[in-house]
Amino acid sequence: AQSVSQHNHHVILSEAASLELGCNYSYGGTVNLFWYVQYPGQHLQLLLKYFSGDPLVKGIKGFEAEFIKSKFSFNLRKPSVQWSDTAEYFCASQDPGSARQLTFGSGTQLTVLP
Amino acid sequence: DTAVSQTPKYLVTQMGNDKSIKCEQNLGHDTMYWYKQDSKKFLKIMFSYNNKELIINETVPNRFSPKSPDKAHLNLHINSLELGDSAVYFCASSQGRDSPLHFGNGTRLTVT
Repeated sequence: AQSVSQHNHHVILSEAASLELGCNYSYGGTVNLFWYVQYPGQHLQLLLKYFSGDPLVKGIKGFEAEFIKSKFSFNLRKPSVQWSDTAEYFCASQDPGSARQLTFGSGTQLTVLP
Repeated sequence: DTAVSQTPKYLVTQMGNDKSIKCEQNLGHDTMYWYKQDSKKFLKIMFSYNNKELIINETVPNRFSPKSPDKAHLNLHINSLELGDSAVYFCASSQGRDSPLHFGNGTRLTVT
């Protein structure tokens, strides 16, 4: 069974600081990877996805993530965060050969101080 | 023109009651899901339907019964509600093999 680990439970940054959120997945085969964001009281929205090809993936709102197969990692980055980035961030994996459900990490709460 | 819509948004009810949550997607997707998000924000798959056929049924009490009348709808019925059922329930849909999930706005269920 797949599992996804997000080691940072809560990250607090000041505006304009750089962000990196860690994500490690356990599945050894071909895997799709995602980052979702959940703003307070809202549903999950897709930030970016990786299926294949260029391991550096760019998403919305200036976010990017790098797939490093040797490290089973898919860390999320943003060079300069804004107060509006305060949200819960979820990493997820998907085995394309399975029933296609996502396996989520436990989430990282990002708080950006103005 | 909401893509995945759930009703109700909030549901407060007493232990022992039976309740339903409805979900509809207008994206033309072939697969729909129910996820449960607990108080610690952890998201766990409950069910998945592909073209009205149940394909994932995780270890969920059989008080929870999904029903898919057509591929655009996946409803969740819960019998004999318990305090531990309090959570946010998210419906989602996807299409095809390499496809992200599109989530609804969630239903916050509170059992008193």
